[in-house]
Amino acid sequence: QQPVQSPQAVILREGEDAVINCSSSKALYSVHWYRQKHGEAPVFLMILLKGGEQKGHEKISASFNEKKQQSSLYLTASQLSYSGTYFCGTGESNFGNEKLTFGTGTRLTIIP
Amino acid sequence: DAGVIQSPRHEVTEMGQEVTLRCKPISGHNSLFWYRQTMMRGLELLIYFNNNVPIDDSGMPEDRFSAKMPNASFSTLKIQPSEPRDSAVYFCASSLAFHSGNTIYFGEGSWLTVV
Repeated sequence: QQPVQSPQAVILREGEDAVINCSSSKALYSVHWYRQKHGEAPVFLMILLKGGEQKGHEKISASFNEKKQQSSLYLTASQLSYSGTYFCGTGESNFGNEKLTFGTGTRLTIIP
Repeated sequence: DAGVIQSPRHEVTEMGQEVTLRCKPISGHNSLFWYRQTMMRGLELLIYFNNNVPIDDSGMPEDRFSAKMPNASFSTLKIQPSEPRDSAVYFCASSLAFHSGNTIYFGEGSWLTVV
């Protein structure tokens, strides 16, 4: 089942902060965050694993609440380059033969 | 290292024609995923392979779609016959030991238009 993202869209002025949320109805092992610019492929930002491990870009921060099956991506002091659509992808277990299911996306627009 | 390589980048074809999309995963990666992206449905997983074996094809829309992975460095997604509703961007992605907490890396996508 597809994870749910909120908000669907947000407009910020440069320098403002934003939080993007991702929620699943299933128990999760991993949450992956991607950013996609128009006409391009999704680009990996960060992965959060059950147990607290995180891998990703230093300037990106996120949280993962395992009990609630929720994750949030924090964008601080936004820059024009942050514009794009953000997707969360969820993985349900750390056993073999796993797959990544993506949410519907959050469109972020940064204006000068 | 080269990323995931897809071809063709763009294809326009007439309804009823066969379409073949190709993917070369990142060398050494053992999982390969085919996604389809449309405005209405977002990013949908069509099928994924682990060590060249198809694991889950529940996302394949119908029998017109088929995917193969004859070896670790090549996969194809075929649509026969194509229909206008198949118009979308098709992404191939690969991963190394995805179940161990690694992420997946996308190719540039194949933009398909069926007229």
